[in-house]
Amino acid sequence: NAGVTQTPKFQVLKTGQSMTLQCAQDMNHEYMSWYRQDPGMGLRLIHYSVGAGITDQGEVPNGYNVSRSTTEDFPLRLLSAAPSQTSVYFCASRLTGVGYGYTFGSGTRLTVV
Amino acid sequence: QKEVEQDPGPLSVPEGAIVSLNCTYSNSAFQYFMWYRQYSRKGPELLMYTYSSGNKEDGRFTAQVDKSSKYISLFIRDSQPSDSATYLCAMSAPSQGAQKLVFGQGTRLTINP
Repeated sequence: NAGVTQTPKFQVLKTGQSMTLQCAQDMNHEYMSWYRQDPGMGLRLIHYSVGAGITDQGEVPNGYNVSRSTTEDFPLRLLSAAPSQTSVYFCASRLTGVGYGYTFGSGTRLTVV
Repeated sequence: QKEVEQDPGPLSVPEGAIVSLNCTYSNSAFQYFMWYRQYSRKGPELLMYTYSSGNKEDGRFTAQVDKSSKYISLFIRDSQPSDSATYLCAMSAPSQGAQKLVFGQGTRLTINP
């Protein structure tokens, strides 16, 4: 049981490049989310999903795309990287229903130059 | 004004002290309240989950929710150096199915041996 696995752990991109941050969970969790963490800002929700085929926007969705074709995987795509997207990205998942907190991955540190 | 306010600290206390961490919020619809602990360069991990008002105790940790004051607290008794971390409060509303968490900035705590 690996929990929530994020790859890569570190990435440097040039402005304008695109890339996909991978997230996989093996706990059969229906809910999955992507957050970004910036100094002094806490964690902010980018996109979330309540099940395969269902996604919705969070607080800061601009510049990011998601899809959910399976329960296990929830990739985050950066369409055209900008320096403002330099951040630490966390994927999280949890069971359906109340009383369950999110389990977080270990994060991807992204720098856009 | 942010929906959730948390003093970022840093907070430094001697080993064995009682630690009090707090958050205030403005959205009266919040019903689910969580505390996460985040070690340096790691993902957040769930410490406490509380529904609506009241207290919840788990070992050395006690979470309190005062909905009338829109104020939540986390108390750590007999603090240990291993408790040194950033503590994040998070909350969500039933209308959002508790999927969308709103986080505080996090308080950096150091326990000195």
